[in-house]
Amino acid sequence: DVKVTQSSRYLVKRTGEKVFLECVQDMDHENMFWYRQDPGLGLRLIYFSYDVKMKEKGDIPEGYSVSREKKERFSLILESASTNQTSMYLCASTGLAGETQYFGPGTRLLVL
Amino acid sequence: GEDVEQSLFLSVREGDSSVINCTYTDSSSTYLYWYKQEPGAGLQLLTYIFSNMDMKQDQRLTVLLNKKDKHLSLRIADTQTGDSAIYFCAESIWGNTGKLIFGQGTTLQVKP
Repeated sequence: DVKVTQSSRYLVKRTGEKVFLECVQDMDHENMFWYRQDPGLGLRLIYFSYDVKMKEKGDIPEGYSVSREKKERFSLILESASTNQTSMYLCASTGLAGETQYFGPGTRLLVL
Repeated sequence: GEDVEQSLFLSVREGDSSVINCTYTDSSSTYLYWYKQEPGAGLQLLTYIFSNMDMKQDQRLTVLLNKKDKHLSLRIADTQTGDSAIYFCAESIWGNTGKLIFGQGTTLQVKP
């Protein structure tokens, strides 16, 4: 059974803190993605990675960075969290054929 | 650039059919997807259609694709209260490493 897991379901952080969101997939997928979801805006792509140590900016990369040291793990980093980064963060992965994205359960982040 | 549009809200009565509509702009789309998101959860793939098809049926779900008008619809027959969720339309772009462009999501409310 396909599985994408995210390290936390809910997270509360203070402005200025460094925040790590972890995503792990067990399907040996090449491509991994980080999105944020806000009401009325749908999913917006922050960063994606198509191989270990490779990364590409998505549509809204400002204020975020990523790390892909191992194929199964893709981390999203907020260097200095701000209140406008309060959101639902979703991780997804897909194989080389790129046909279907499988999603994790999401992390709801609140920045105070 | 690529864009996917959906209406934000649809309300139906239990037992009726629901039709959720989506328009997209990129004619080089290879696959078009429908994802379902239940409250507090990640996205679950419902169904997808290859861009050279015009219809796909899967139990209570019917997907219609009008490539000329770049219009995609999802029909849910005999809608149940368990179908209440947010439905996202998404398109994949050929050669784009599995990257998807999502619509804003349509919230389906099913009244008993």
